[in-house]
Amino acid sequence: KAGVTQTPRYLIKTRGQQVTLSCSPISGHRSVSWYQQTPGQGLQFLFEYFSETQRNKGNFPGRFSGRQFSNSRSEMNVSTLELGDSALYLCASSWEPGTANEKLFFGSGTQLSVL
Amino acid sequence: GQQVMQIPQYQHVQEGEDFTTYCNSSTTLSNIQWYKQRPGGHPVFLIQLVKSGEVKKQKRLTFQFGEAKKNSSLHITATQTTDVGTYFCAGLRYGGATNKLIFGTGTLLAVQP
Repeated sequence: KAGVTQTPRYLIKTRGQQVTLSCSPISGHRSVSWYQQTPGQGLQFLFEYFSETQRNKGNFPGRFSGRQFSNSRSEMNVSTLELGDSALYLCASSWEPGTANEKLFFGSGTQLSVL
Repeated sequence: GQQVMQIPQYQHVQEGEDFTTYCNSSTTLSNIQWYKQRPGGHPVFLIQLVKSGEVKKQKRLTFQFGEAKKNSSLHITATQTTDVGTYFCAGLRYGGATNKLIFGTGTLLAVQP
């Protein structure tokens, strides 16, 4: 069974641009969560989607948005990039989100550098 | 707001020494999970604890969930260089219509051979 796939693996953008990251969950998983990780920081929760609906949202500005498609694939978009947006963006999928059986499977992440 | 703190933030040990990281939540959790992230890698699920006072072992790793379900610990006996990485706890908090998995701040373990 294929794992969580994130594309692209690396991305370099300049300030003011926008970026779209993609995540394909494990087959059968309907929940996708996004996290931002910066050096020395923990995992900052961005949002979670389940069956095309955003169920939870972290404390990030409106420049960060996401969506989920009917095949459970998800995208996140960051508009008007700032230098501080440089980070590893991780996507995680799960089978039974928000339950005692929830277990996250992470992708390898997209390393975004904003110059 | 709700937080999950881990201490220490960083620990450097000699190979063969023991290591413990502690996870503390400001609210009661329904369960707690532990993940390990190797340098340059992504977090990988290790284990889940559900019951108050639960203790689970995986070879040299021992996980505990506190009686009040607000804290947890991970203890590694006789560390090896393969244990290097950042260990995250993640607590599941029931919150009405939706539940949230809240990650701790992580503990980076360095093991010197």
